[in-house]
Amino acid sequence: QVQLVQSGAEVKKPGASVTVSCKASGYTFTSYYMHWVRQAPGQGPEWMGVINPSGGTTKYAVKFQGRVTMTRDTSTTTVDMQLSSLRSEDTAVYYCARGIVVNAPPGSFGFDPWGQGTLVTVSS
Amino acid sequence: QSALTQPASVSGSPRQSITISCTGTSSDVGNYNLVSWYQHHPDRAPKLIIYEGSERPSGVSSRFSGSKSGNTASLTISGLQAEDEAYYYCCSYAGLSTWVFGGGTKLTVL
Repeated sequence: QVQLVQSGAEVKKPGASVTVSCKASGYTFTSYYMHWVRQAPGQGPEWMGVINPSGGTTKYAVKFQGRVTMTRDTSTTTVDMQLSSLRSEDTAVYYCARGIVVNAPPGSFGFDPWGQGTLVTVSS
Repeated sequence: QSALTQPASVSGSPRQSITISCTGTSSDVGNYNLVSWYQHHPDRAPKLIIYEGSERPSGVSSRFSGSKSGNTASLTISGLQAEDEAYYYCCSYAGLSTWVFGGGTKLTVL
């Protein structure tokens, strides 16, 4: 079955960087977009960006441009999300979520499935 | 992009129906019929329950339905069950390969 398994919880100091990994299985990795979504405590989800695992192209939310980098490794079917210059407001659960099949109309379908989430805590 | 607006909480009794609204703008909800809804139980991954405004993924109960009017999308849950108690989030495509989520609604089954 389609499964997304994320790396474990992280604790980081302000100013540091964090990398969260998402290993995909159960489908053709390069055929579907992968999104990253975060949810801070008590808030709604926030879309961070998307990567095309086929070519590695990315699109980031304006809010995160310059601080986020999404990469993929087709040999291990893993997508990584690195967030730099961390601040306390970045404390959140970070999710990867599979999007639509590559080359389908953007926005169609939805995010399914989601990874189990990775808690990133930023604290001095 | 501003987050879509959802009521913070709704409640209903078993077997009743409830509706959760999701208000955006003419740049997102109003411009595309591409709203999705997610059910999120604490300590579980969010689950897609409605996509493209009113479509249900395979395996999702027909008690869940979606609609849209203007800049507002809605999720209706009929025949409420205890297991429906969860957080519900809407999400809209906002153009140029970007998406925007709602702030979430906590559904309490009384």
